Amino acid sequence: KQEVTQIPAALSVPEGENLVLNCSFTDSAIYNLQWFRQDPGKGLTSLLLIQSSQREQTSGRLNASLDKSSGRSTLYIAASQPGDSATYLCAASIQGAQKLVFGQGTRLTINP
Amino acid sequence: DAGITQSPRHKVTETGTPVTLRCHQTENHRYMYWYRQDPGHGLRLIHYSYGVKDTDKGEVSDGYSVSRSKTEDFLLTLESATSSQTSVYFCAISGAGIEGWTQYFGPGTRLTVL
Repeated sequence: KQEVTQIPAALSVPEGENLVLNCSFTDSAIYNLQWFRQDPGKGLTSLLLIQSSQREQTSGRLNASLDKSSGRSTLYIAASQPGDSATYLCAASIQGAQKLVFGQGTRLTINP
Repeated sequence: DAGITQSPRHKVTETGTPVTLRCHQTENHRYMYWYRQDPGHGLRLIHYSYGVKDTDKGEVSDGYSVSRSKTEDFLLTLESATSSQTSVYFCAISGAGIEGWTQYFGPGTRLTVL
């Protein structure tokens, strides 16, 4: 059974720092891995999707990497801003690209 | 933002009553999903649909049924609501193929079962 873990559960850093969020998964037979952000009381917003054949994806200040052999993905946020404060979730696909298993998220706070 | 709406946005009901949640999309995406989000459990897939009248179970499907009679609508029904089904329910959509698997989420429905 695929299990997805995100550590730490919460992270607080000063504005302007570069930071890395971690995601690990137990079954390397994934189709893709997705990163989302969730603001309090809101739905999820897709950030990046990495196909199983890819090593990384970039969007603006965000860069996500995927290492299937070690069962890990990281989300790198450059030059963090207070508006980046949110919960970040990763999700690994199972049994086909459409079924996702989510981690429990990392709650990120960027302090001005 | 993807065109996804959920109704109702909030609902309070009593144990044993039937409840139907609606998800509506304007993106003509093939896949639609229902998740529930609970503290300590994160997001878990309930059911999903891969086309009109085509559905499959997810991780936590017991006590839930779904229907999709039109591409744009996906209904989640709790036949007899229980307190353990108090949760926030999210609908999501995606296309298909390598470029289309990104899932887009609706705003959620907060359901309280008393």
